[in-house]
Amino acid sequence: DIEMTQSPSFLAASVGDRVTITCRASQSIANYLNWYRQRPGRAPEVLIYAASNLQNGVPGRFSGSRSEAEFTLTISSLQPEDFATYYCHQTYSTAQPTFGGGTKVEIK
Amino acid sequence: QLQLQESGSRLVKPSQTLSLTCAVSGDSISRDNYSWSWLRQPPGKGLEWIGYFYHTGTTYYNSSLKSRVTLSVDRSKNQFSLKLNSVTAADTAVYYCARVFSGAGGYDPFDSWGQGILVTVSS
Repeated sequence: DIEMTQSPSFLAASVGDRVTITCRASQSIANYLNWYRQRPGRAPEVLIYAASNLQNGVPGRFSGSRSEAEFTLTISSLQPEDFATYYCHQTYSTAQPTFGGGTKVEIK
Repeated sequence: QLQLQESGSRLVKPSQTLSLTCAVSGDSISRDNYSWSWLRQPPGKGLEWIGYFYHTGTTYYNSSLKSRVTLSVDRSKNQFSLKLNSVTAADTAVYYCARVFSGAGGYDPFDSWGQGILVTVSS
């Protein structure tokens, strides 16, 4: 199975901060990478698909990028509703999609 | 508006079978370019994909659960189901059903989720 490694596991930030989360795949996955936000007590919601495409209805402060096997989710100006856990998700392997371990963004 | 609603037994005894159903409203599970999936999340832990009915007609299972999992679909009721047998405490989790948009070049994002149902395995 393709392993997805997210970093950091935790980060503390303030409203208005620029936040960057990284996800690295154990092998090449082209741009088959999606990002999700999961607020406490709620189901995840997709933010970015295909590494850099903003899902319909998602605010423009979220963006995604790729550099070879490393992927980055950036929140340009953190809002109160963004204190949550973020997951990356590879779908290069259709038969065995896998998630990263998550990054919890907490209030500093 | 699309809604997915999980239902089933919330308490299951060890060694027994966990059974859940996902009722879909606001969309057809037979719709082209969409797949339908189950995932789970143990308390305080990350997400784990269980399996899905892919839009091509193939059913895929997580290799670590494949020997214990069965997915089925009832198109007449617009719902799909999960059975996980021989459960242990490690199967305690929030179980989610989700829709997969499989038309976007194979990127397969989970674009809509149920609210989740906590299933506890305990005697």
